[in-house]
Amino acid sequence: SQQGEEDPQALSIQEGENATMNCSYKTSINNLQWYRQNSGRGLVHLILIRSNEREKHSGRLRVTLDTSKKSSSLLITASRAADTASYFCATDRYNQGGKLIFGQGTELSVKP
Amino acid sequence: GAGVSQTPSNKVTEKGKYVELRCDPISGHTALYWYRQSLGQGPEFLIYFQGTGAADDSGLPNDRFFAVRPEGSVSTLKIQRTERGDSAVYLCASSPYPGQGVGYTFGSGTRLTVV
Repeated sequence: SQQGEEDPQALSIQEGENATMNCSYKTSINNLQWYRQNSGRGLVHLILIRSNEREKHSGRLRVTLDTSKKSSSLLITASRAADTASYFCATDRYNQGGKLIFGQGTELSVKP
Repeated sequence: GAGVSQTPSNKVTEKGKYVELRCDPISGHTALYWYRQSLGQGPEFLIYFQGTGAADDSGLPNDRFFAVRPEGSVSTLKIQRTERGDSAVYLCASSPYPGQGVGYTFGSGTRLTVV
């Protein structure tokens, strides 16, 4: 079973707009990670936020974490057509040896 | 190697046959993970190794699935008596330090189709 739920399931925006994806989870975590997947194959690690962090930036990516609400959001600013992909959040839970549990993903489409 | 390598990239097999899927992780990565992903779903955890031993195999769906990592590097996922429901993309990932908050590096996956 999946740990997290993501919304929206699908998001379609125009180039230059910002895209926000949300992730909720159920149990206490060590950290939460976001991954990107093109064409249903290998996933690429984007960013990791630890449980004691509230916000983190990497280039055009901004991630927030609210452990009291057990939720996270990923913001992609100034989106590009090349950002079109599926985005997944994954949680690293306590005492699980680094095993990640993935959400269902958000399918992002950025139109030129 | 430079990345995680999975072979074959595609495998078509008949129902009831045995298949082996191979994963070659990044050199020196002690943790290796297998996931399965069905269309439109997130990756589902199967098993993970620390070194040669399976630290957590709680995600293996039944006893037809088995995985090994005899020398602590290459891993093989073995599926016996394949069923059509086993069709999915099988993903392998590795990381240097299990449980230390380091992101995974994924391979490109093996797309298994059981006909």
